[in-house]
Amino acid sequence: GIQVEQSPPDLILQEGANSTLRCNFSDSVNNLQWFHQNPWGQLINLFYIPSGTKQNGRLSATTVATERYSLLYISSSQTTDSGVYFCAVEEEGNKLVFGAGTILRVKS
Amino acid sequence: NAGVTQTPEFQVLKTGQSMTLQCAQDMNHEYMSWYRQDPGMGLRLIHYSVGAGITDQGEVPNGYNVSRSTTEDFPLRLLLAAPSQTSVYFCASSPSRLYGANVLTFGAGSRLTVL
Repeated sequence: GIQVEQSPPDLILQEGANSTLRCNFSDSVNNLQWFHQNPWGQLINLFYIPSGTKQNGRLSATTVATERYSLLYISSSQTTDSGVYFCAVEEEGNKLVFGAGTILRVKS
Repeated sequence: NAGVTQTPEFQVLKTGQSMTLQCAQDMNHEYMSWYRQDPGMGLRLIHYSVGAGITDQGEVPNGYNVSRSTTEDFPLRLLLAAPSQTSVYFCASSPSRLYGANVLTFGAGSRLTVL
């Protein structure tokens, strides 16, 4: 099956700093999503981005499908950005495969 | 519009007991799925359904059963609970079952401990 690798595994930022999270995948995909899991465990869908670039406030994402990677940018980080960021890609047969996640801690 | 609702939020079982985790969505979504989350391993797909009466296995289906008798409900049954099933379980749904268009909305999770 498809492999999904996220980097870095852990990231500590000072409030106001910018960061880039990466997601590599082993096969071509028609579906890629980014999720944020807050410290209380809630999972929120940030982006559906099989290709191209999208922006939502301080967050943006870019997927280069031909090179099998996606990037999530967080600008001017806030303590509320802390949590775990997952990327997930869809295998044929309606199966979404998740990476292991990047744990982000933003310090005030 | 409650979205995806999971019950119970917390549960403690003894080895060998059985139980059902409930999942309901009120968005008329075709696709529903169950994941388990273990430390350092992301989320792994247990079972999924592309519509009422249709279910299929994911990556880690052993020890779990599902059924989909209505569009709204997708319960997950643990038949003989084992300590290895201690985990956080998430139910998720999507408006489309079409390949490439599956966009998930998650429930709040059910935290299960098996002693």
